[in-house]
Amino acid sequence: GAVVSQHPSWVICKSGTSVKIECRSLDFQATTMFWYRQFPKQSLMLMATSNEGSKATYEQGVEKDKFLINHASLTLSTLTVTSAHPEDSSFYICSASRSTGEDIQYFGAGTRLSVL
Amino acid sequence: GQNIDQPTEMTATEGAIVQINCTYQTSGFNGLFWYQQHAGEAPTFLSYNVLDGLEEKGRFSSFLSRSKGYSYLLLKELQMKDSASYLCAVLDSNYQLIWGAGTKLIIKP
Repeated sequence: GAVVSQHPSWVICKSGTSVKIECRSLDFQATTMFWYRQFPKQSLMLMATSNEGSKATYEQGVEKDKFLINHASLTLSTLTVTSAHPEDSSFYICSASRSTGEDIQYFGAGTRLSVL
Repeated sequence: GQNIDQPTEMTATEGAIVQINCTYQTSGFNGLFWYQQHAGEAPTFLSYNVLDGLEEKGRFSSFLSRSKGYSYLLLKELQMKDSASYLCAVLDSNYQLIWGAGTKLIIKP
């Protein structure tokens, strides 16, 4: 159990367009979902934490109007990169924790975003 | 500030044993995690330690000493597929996960 699906796995878009990334917990309910960004050869950088039915908590330096997060249900969270620019090109990864209070984060496969 | 230190890169031989160390300084402690991340992929959970001692899980073992702010991940009978980055992460007093930069492990035949 504890499978997290992330879609799409790879996206190329033009500068100025918006991209939506979905994160789903397939076999468990996830009270909390996390969105990370990772640049090559660097560690994970937490962007925001989202709880079902409430607004996401963004980390310092992350623009909430640029990176829109919606956590509409216990199994789905979405990240929308609005008006994407080349500097937004990165590897975006979501993770989810079970609603049982377990602290283990289970990760999706990640989305590689390339903005031209 | 909060800090997690682990070596940037290590090299080991197929079939051998390797120990990856992690030291941490965080505001509070609610557990330490080890994750494996292959290049271009997302991390996968390996182990969780919250009490002192050694947790063994097949070829992988993880050790924790809270008084020393120290953990290690021990990999035995190394296989080529173990080539990956190994991330150490600590859950602080606010239950926020603090990530280390990761240790890239290179396995040579």
